[in-house]
Amino acid sequence: NAGVTQTPKFRILKIGQSMTLQCTQDMNHNYMYWYRQDPGMGLKLIYYSVGAGITDKGEVPNGYNVSRSTTEDFPLRLELAAPSQTSVYFCASDTDRSSYNSPLHFGNGTRLTVT
Amino acid sequence: QQQVKQSPQSLIVQKGGIPIINCAYENTAFDYFPWYQQFPGKGPALLIAIRPDVSEKKEGRFTISFNKSAKQFSLHIMDSQPGDSATYFCAATRYQTAGSYQLTFGKGTKLSVIP
Repeated sequence: NAGVTQTPKFRILKIGQSMTLQCTQDMNHNYMYWYRQDPGMGLKLIYYSVGAGITDKGEVPNGYNVSRSTTEDFPLRLELAAPSQTSVYFCASDTDRSSYNSPLHFGNGTRLTVT
Repeated sequence: QQQVKQSPQSLIVQKGGIPIINCAYENTAFDYFPWYQQFPGKGPALLIAIRPDVSEKKEGRFTISFNKSAKQFSLHIMDSQPGDSATYFCAATRYQTAGSYQLTFGKGTKLSVIP
């Protein structure tokens, strides 16, 4: 199993450009998440999904959009890139929020720079 | 509002030392406290976790101590090794029925173990 795969690994955007960060998982997990990680700030939840066709906002959703058309894929869309969106983005998944033995499985991240 | 406070932000210990990372939470509804370990260029990975009905949990050289009345928990790394050098995140979550979600991370501690 590949686990959680994120593409691209690195990207530089100009202000106002748009892009989609891709995330796919092959573990048949229902729950998927997008986090951003900024130095010294920990992990902040952007959006999450509890299954195909269902998404909800996290702590810092402004400037982002998501969709979940399949169990495997959970892309994150930036419509008008701003310097404040410079960050490392992590996608994660897990099986079931009602299980104590269900850890988050993270991808290796996408490092995005907006200039 | 930061619901999980983690300290210190960075920590340097000699090989064989016992680094201790502390976390405090505010929401008494939290009922699961995982620790994640993150190496440079990688996503976080679950290291160890504890539920509030126990005061201590050990897995190899890693121990979580939990003080429910003080709303604090800590990670101890026995006989630390240079390979333990990483960023450690504490987290707190409340397991709910399907469709509900709450997971809050601390800001992270960068640990360096020097030979």
